[in-house]
Amino acid sequence: SAVISQKPSRDICQRGTSLTIQCQVDSQVTMMFWYRQQPGQSLTLIATANQGSEATYESGFVIDKFPISRPNLTFSTLTVSNMSPEDSSIYLCSVGEAFFGQGTRLTVV
Amino acid sequence: GQQLNQSPQSMFIQEGEDVSMNCTSSSIFNTWLWYKQEPGEGPVLLIALYKAGELTSNGRLTAQFGITRKDSFLNISASIPSDVGIYFCAGTRIQGAQKLVFGQGTRLTINP
Repeated sequence: SAVISQKPSRDICQRGTSLTIQCQVDSQVTMMFWYRQQPGQSLTLIATANQGSEATYESGFVIDKFPISRPNLTFSTLTVSNMSPEDSSIYLCSVGEAFFGQGTRLTVV
Repeated sequence: GQQLNQSPQSMFIQEGEDVSMNCTSSSIFNTWLWYKQEPGEGPVLLIALYKAGELTSNGRLTAQFGITRKDSFLNISASIPSDVGIYFCAGTRIQGAQKLVFGQGTRLTINP
């Protein structure tokens, strides 16, 4: 099993600014995943973060907008850059099919 | 891209009733998963299915991996108020790949 701690749990940000979301796992994992859940919608995979290599982004998501760090096997960050109201979503990290963080609810004003 | 079509989008039922929801895809999936999400939380895995035709139960929940590998259903028997939430199906094209494609979700509301 794995316990995932995600911070912050929520934030309200001004447009044009950036927010970095942290994801901490209580065990070492090879891959970590970042998802976006837009209001009232399902989850969409943003990227896969592997330790020691660049993240792999899904179609429609780019590194300049969503830079990801993976400094070690228990931690990752996702930054939402130059935010606009359309970025208002819940962002979730995951370490596989069974384990998700509680999410970061982002509101951009 | 890959999509999972989940239905119904919402359900309003009486406590004690049975619930059924399903997911279909035009592509073959090798793993089917069912999750429940409550407000302010991440999805919680309910049932995982890894073989075509597999039928798995978890308490009052039963799910099946369709024989064609293009569909799955989730049944909830004798619903209770704590079953309220949003249920998502998800799948992976490659077993063990861990990259999930999610359905649109079924919002379940229960009248006591």
